[in-house]
Amino acid sequence: AQSVTQLGSHVSVSEGALVLLRCNYSSSVPPYLFWYVQYPNQGLQLLLKYTTGATLVKGINGFEAEFKKSETSFHLTKPSAHMSDAAEYFCAVSDPPRDKLSFGAGTTVTVRA
Amino acid sequence: NAGVTQTPKFQVLKTGQSMTLQCAQDMNHEYMSWYRQDPGMGLRLIHYSVGAGITDQGEVPNGYNVSRSTTEDFPLRLLSAAPSQTSVYFCASRTQGYGYTFGSGTRLTVV
Repeated sequence: AQSVTQLGSHVSVSEGALVLLRCNYSSSVPPYLFWYVQYPNQGLQLLLKYTTGATLVKGINGFEAEFKKSETSFHLTKPSAHMSDAAEYFCAVSDPPRDKLSFGAGTTVTVRA
Repeated sequence: NAGVTQTPKFQVLKTGQSMTLQCAQDMNHEYMSWYRQDPGMGLRLIHYSVGAGITDQGEVPNGYNVSRSTTEDFPLRLLSAAPSQTSVYFCASRTQGYGYTFGSGTRLTVV
């Protein structure tokens, strides 16, 4: 069975600073990995995903993540935070082909002016 | 193209009542899932389906039923509502090789 651990339930960054959200996973097979963002009172929006191929994945809104098999990690980064990045972020893993997504507990990002 | 549509958006139930949360998608996606979101716990999978007529249990299936008679619809039934089922419920769908598309959620309160 797969599982996801997100390190840090809250992250506060200054506008223009690096955003780094940590995600570690466990999986019995090569996983598919995802990052989702949730703005207040909305559903989840896919930021980026890793399935196979290039381990550095670029997503929407300037975010990217790198799959590191040796570290079982899939950390999310953005070089320069914007006020609009304030939201909750979820890392998720699935074990193909069963395709059930397991989510981490989420990390809330606040951006200071 | 409406994506994933969930109804109702808000619902208050009394303990012991039953109800159905509706979910419909117009993208011809094979896979559909139901999640519940509770503070500090992320999203937990209730039930999922890999196609019409095929459903399976997720992490927290007790107290919920599903069926998938068509590709488009995946309703979630609460058999006898309990306060522990107070949560925000999300339906999601996807097709092979893509990430899930989520609905906007149903906020359920059981009193």
